[in-house]
Amino acid sequence: DTGVSQDPRHKITKRGQNVTFRCDPISEHNRLYWYRQTLGQGPEFLTYFQNEAQLEKSRLLSDRFSAERPKGSFSTLEIQRTEQGDSAMYLCASSLQGYTGELFFGEGSRLTVL
Amino acid sequence: AQRVTQPEKLLSVFKGAPVELKCNYSYSGSPELFWYVQYSRQRLQLLLRHISRESIKGFTADLNKGETSFHLKKPFAQEEDSAMYYCALSFNQAGTALIFGKGTTLSVSS
Repeated sequence: DTGVSQDPRHKITKRGQNVTFRCDPISEHNRLYWYRQTLGQGPEFLTYFQNEAQLEKSRLLSDRFSAERPKGSFSTLEIQRTEQGDSAMYLCASSLQGYTGELFFGEGSRLTVL
Repeated sequence: AQRVTQPEKLLSVFKGAPVELKCNYSYSGSPELFWYVQYSRQRLQLLLRHISRESIKGFTADLNKGETSFHLKKPFAQEEDSAMYYCALSFNQAGTALIFGKGTTLSVSS
């Protein structure tokens, strides 16, 4: 297991297009988190799953954003009708239940909206 | 609202000098606090957590509830400490995700 993996690593798209990011967590981790990071900012929480259940969503997650984790393993984050303000690094992290605060992060998917 | 403040964007020190990265938080309950670190071209990773009261790579951090602070300290900086450091707060032991500060870049030069 090489840790949390994210795909694609980089995505350039035109405004108005839809994009989808995939995250594969560490295999035994049942919690999965999505964060967004823009230049000069720390990671901002978007949403998290415990197994396949989406337990919390940030108000940052507008209606254009949707996340799924259908079988409790990998997750996808879709952004519909992208806007230039969506340009950011999208980070995925996973952890074990029995919360310790240790999140294991992926390398991120960088989105550029032209 | 819960908030984490890291007042310094950049901290530059010489090798061997003491380091203190500041973190203040806003939370009315009993927080759990963490420091995460991101070295160049590496993933964000946990450095230490306040409940463990541990020293990692020579770094320590003490939670001061009176001053609502969780400053990260190291007595003698090394060049390999150069990285981005994020302070993070968890306010729900049921598992709500972390709130991160904006980060401080530590630059250690020889």
